[in-house]
Amino acid sequence: NAGVTQTPKFQVLKTGQSMTLQCAQDMNHEYMSWYRQDPGMGLRLIHYSVGAGITDQGEVPNGYNVSRSTTEDFPLRLLSAAPSQTSVYFCASSYSRASYEQYFGPGTRLTVT
Amino acid sequence: AQSVTQLGSHVSVSEGALVLLRCNYSSSVPPYLFWYVQYPNQGLQLLLKYTSAATLVKGINGFEAEFKKSETSFHLTKPSAHMSDAAEYFCAVSDQAGNQFYFGTGTSLTVIP
Repeated sequence: NAGVTQTPKFQVLKTGQSMTLQCAQDMNHEYMSWYRQDPGMGLRLIHYSVGAGITDQGEVPNGYNVSRSTTEDFPLRLLSAAPSQTSVYFCASSYSRASYEQYFGPGTRLTVT
Repeated sequence: AQSVTQLGSHVSVSEGALVLLRCNYSSSVPPYLFWYVQYPNQGLQLLLKYTSAATLVKGINGFEAEFKKSETSFHLTKPSAHMSDAAEYFCAVSDQAGNQFYFGTGTSLTVIP
């Protein structure tokens, strides 16, 4: 199993550009989530999904969109990037809920200039 | 919303000394509590979790944590630090539905040879 994979590993965007961060898992997990990690602030939940076709907002959803058309994939879209979105983004998945063990991807380091 | 507070953003211990990382949570109902570890440039990995089965929880790599409801604490300990324990440690709590995670701001552990 590859576990949780994320692409790209690094990305630089200009303010106003859009992009999609990809996340995939091959463990048949129902629950998937996106976090951003900023210095001194830990990880904060952006969006999560409890299954295909079901998504919900986390703690910091503004400026981000998600969709879950398949069990395996959970992309995160930035529609109009802002410097405040410079961060490290982690995707995670778990068997059914966050209360089970979450498996994290290696992260995407995003810089918005 | 749930929250966790990690006391001490940086902790240094000598190799072989006791490791104690502090975590307090805010909740009137015992939640699900977790400790995760992050090695440099990697995603997070579960160390241990509390799900009300036992107040003393043993995890991987010799770590354990004790849930104390009266103190709303879930401190992480290891009797003897190894150089390989140097990493960032995060305490986290999930909401009652198990869908949203709230992470602490992290404690960076340095092990001095």
